[in-house]
Amino acid sequence: GENVEQHPSTLSVQEGDSAVIKCTYSDSASNYFPWYKQELGKRPQLIIDIRSNVGEKKDQRIAVTLNKTAKHFSLHITETQPEDSAVYFCAAVNTGNQFYFGTGTSLTVIP
Amino acid sequence: DAGITQSPRHKVTETGTPVTLRCHQTENHRYMYWYRQDPGHGLRLIHYSYGVKDTDKGEVSDGYSVSRSKTEDFLLTLESATSSQTSVYFCATGPTTNEKLFFGSGTQLSVL
Repeated sequence: GENVEQHPSTLSVQEGDSAVIKCTYSDSASNYFPWYKQELGKRPQLIIDIRSNVGEKKDQRIAVTLNKTAKHFSLHITETQPEDSAVYFCAAVNTGNQFYFGTGTSLTVIP
Repeated sequence: DAGITQSPRHKVTETGTPVTLRCHQTENHRYMYWYRQDPGHGLRLIHYSYGVKDTDKGEVSDGYSVSRSKTEDFLLTLESATSSQTSVYFCATGPTTNEKLFFGSGTQLSVL
């Protein structure tokens, strides 16, 4: 099956700085890579996704990059705000539509 | 949020008892999933379904079974609960392949 590794497990940044979270995956057949944000006590919710035929995607302060050759993808958050504090999960999705998640990154934005 | 309802929201049970968690959706999504969430492990796939009566195992399926007799309902059963199954369980649904999942609110299960 798929194996998704995510780093770092915790990340603290000053408000206004950038945050980067990195993930690697093992199954070269995986072709969809979503990112989820989970606030304390809440359900995970999608914030951005990227498909295998695209190298980069941006949505306001959030961007995701994908390197299929190296099997890694990254989440970039610019101009961080306190409301960005949450746990972020990456996922890799295979041809059977099974979603495999990383272990999560707890992001703290310090005002 | 998509119409996904998990029941119960909280449950405390004893080791060795059977437990069934229910996921109900009103979105007519094809795919349904059960995940467990534990500190340090993220979201781990237990079982998933790609249609009525079509289910398959995920990465942590031992001790769990599922059933999907109609599109809107996906049941997760712990045949004989153990303390290692204490966790938060999330149901998720997806409309089609390579599209985002929608999560339920979760069920906090404690096995004493």
